Amino acid sequence: GESVGLHLPTLSVQEGDNSIINCAYSNSASDYFIWYKQESGKGPQFIIDIRSNMDKRQGQRVTVLLNKTVKHLSLQIAATQPGDSAVYFCAEGFLTGGGNKLTFGTGTQLKVEL
Amino acid sequence: DTEVTQTPKHLVMGMTNKKSLKCEQHMGHRAMYWYKQKAKKPPELMFVYSYEKLSINESVPSRFSPECPNSSLLNLHLHALQPEDSALYLCASSQVGRGAGGYTFGSGTRLTVV
Repeated sequence: GESVGLHLPTLSVQEGDNSIINCAYSNSASDYFIWYKQESGKGPQFIIDIRSNMDKRQGQRVTVLLNKTVKHLSLQIAATQPGDSAVYFCAEGFLTGGGNKLTFGTGTQLKVEL
Repeated sequence: DTEVTQTPKHLVMGMTNKKSLKCEQHMGHRAMYWYKQKAKKPPELMFVYSYEKLSINESVPSRFSPECPNSSLLNLHLHALQPEDSALYLCASSQVGRGAGGYTFGSGTRLTVV
């Protein structure tokens, strides 16, 4: 079946370093992708999204790169801070006639070491 | 108001009980969603409502019954649940047909079935 997955279940980085979280997907029909951050006991928090016809998008301290050739998505976090510690999910979005359907990847635990 | 509010935050119910989860948003979104998330797993889509009509049911057992009374409210009625239904139930809302369109999650209801 088709799936959205992540290469690394856990990523440990030093405070101040840049973090790169990767995501592989297999469905070429997606309309957009979203990165979410989820802290313990909370719902997923929107970080950044990118349409499938784009290859790069930047936000505040974050950049998402999309490589459709190899079906790969990445989230780059600059100057990682302790508050960035969380589980990060990529999600593949599909526009349907009745709402937007998201399929989530496995998730990566980001740990920021002081 | 840019929030999705879910109540209750925690719920413990017996297998013979009937309970309801509630979700509310005032962002003018016309698509609303229920997701189920087990521990250390990604959220999984259950239902999608678009313009107050059920548009997607991801083959969810009938012991889960969604309801959308109006454009701001979404309920999930629970009856005769099993212990394996224990999970975090997340509500989300978004614009319809505009990509990520502010796809926003609530903090969830932590459900325990005993």
